[in-house]
Amino acid sequence: GQQLNQSPQSMFIQEGEDVSMNCTSSSIFNTWLWYKQDPGEGPVLLIALYKAGELTSNGRLTAQFGITRKDSFLNISASIPSDVGIYFCAGQLNSGGSNYKLTFGKGTLLTVNP
Amino acid sequence: GAVVSQHPSRVICKSGTSVKIECRSLDFQATTMFWYRQFPKQSLMLMATSNEGSKATYEQGVEKDKFLINHASLTLSTLTVTSAHPEDSSFYICSAEGTFNEQFFGPGTRLTVL
Repeated sequence: GQQLNQSPQSMFIQEGEDVSMNCTSSSIFNTWLWYKQDPGEGPVLLIALYKAGELTSNGRLTAQFGITRKDSFLNISASIPSDVGIYFCAGQLNSGGSNYKLTFGKGTLLTVNP
Repeated sequence: GAVVSQHPSRVICKSGTSVKIECRSLDFQATTMFWYRQFPKQSLMLMATSNEGSKATYEQGVEKDKFLINHASLTLSTLTVTSAHPEDSSFYICSAEGTFNEQFFGPGTRLTVL
């Protein structure tokens, strides 16, 4: 199925640095979601965005829903070792009826060096 | 809130046997649950959408007779891998749909077929 273009694929940063990753799509979405997945675990929802232009924070995380509805970014400030993991963006087109499937990006692998 | 559990967390079985995986929403009711499959270092691939009280909707290429889904209550969906073979070995993850159609994921089930 369709996939989002998520970049970068991987990042190696020093503890304390800020991180930015983004997703773009050729089609619009009504909702953008950002998840973090640790090895051997299921994804954990970090931030959900429901409105174009929306900027939402969750602690050191900030995410924005692009005004064109075709992109979103996630920023992590002052990274710490436990931020290590794979971050996935996901778009959802709530077109009514029962179609609430997620389209996932390929993920960004974040490594934080202490 | 919005906790989803899966059981078992890992299972090893012989080729030809069937394996059942349970997905439960612990503190909320979910009319819709989803089943995903994830291969190493890849994103999540949607297998099917499970709706309480009705038949599941399978994605293209997913064999409905091989991956049996039952969503008998608002808090439980099960995935049965029938006549499992080594190529069915994978990480299976379920999600449950929340109030705003966001998805909350379970911790996953690692299936190994010998």
